[in-house]
Amino acid sequence: EADIYQTPRYLVIGTGKKITLECSQTMGHDKMYWYQQDPGMELHLIHYSYGVNSTEKGDLSSESTVSRIRTEHFPLTLESARPSHTSQYLCASSVMGVVTDTQYFGPGTRLTVL
Amino acid sequence: AQKITQTQPGMFVQEKEAVTLDCTYDTSDPSYGLFWYKQPSSGEMIFLIYQGSYDQQNATEGRYSLNFQKARKSANLVISASQLGDSAMYFCAMREEDSNYQLIWGAGTKLIIKP
Repeated sequence: EADIYQTPRYLVIGTGKKITLECSQTMGHDKMYWYQQDPGMELHLIHYSYGVNSTEKGDLSSESTVSRIRTEHFPLTLESARPSHTSQYLCASSVMGVVTDTQYFGPGTRLTVL
Repeated sequence: AQKITQTQPGMFVQEKEAVTLDCTYDTSDPSYGLFWYKQPSSGEMIFLIYQGSYDQQNATEGRYSLNFQKARKSANLVISASQLGDSAMYFCAMREEDSNYQLIWGAGTKLIIKP
């Protein structure tokens, strides 16, 4: 059973606002990920982390930033939200770097920027 | 080139019938893993089943089984005795050692189970 949490589940916000999407996991996983997904479309990796104080950009360019100060916490921040940021954001975690490892996902945050 | 190809954008299946969702992959890495996830309309991604490239037998998890044909580079998901709750998007994904263990995702198949 995966224990990974995301808040808020839904967020509607105006252009220009700063937002932080929260992600926490209680499984002690070293590796964490943020994906962006438009409805009915494939997932795109935007950020990942190997552990505390490690952050890397993913395949999809994103204006968001992330931090990893604690193993269990991997928040994503948008300094100035725009309508183009409207999407679903999924957080996941996994054990460090083995082919067999499974990524477990949180419930997602659906972001709408007006 | 696409590394993961799911050729069926959408499928309709009668309840209680078996369904096969196609997934083909492209890799030259001898060590890789294949995953299937389910995404209901609520949005969360639910892990279903995993197949390793060195596994001798096809993976099974309850009503889910993976038809792994290594030479053809296919990893089709089979759902037996489909239920209305199986209606969802289904994603195939691959992890290779060469890709730094990141998951490479297919475009997904939308499955609708008809009563």
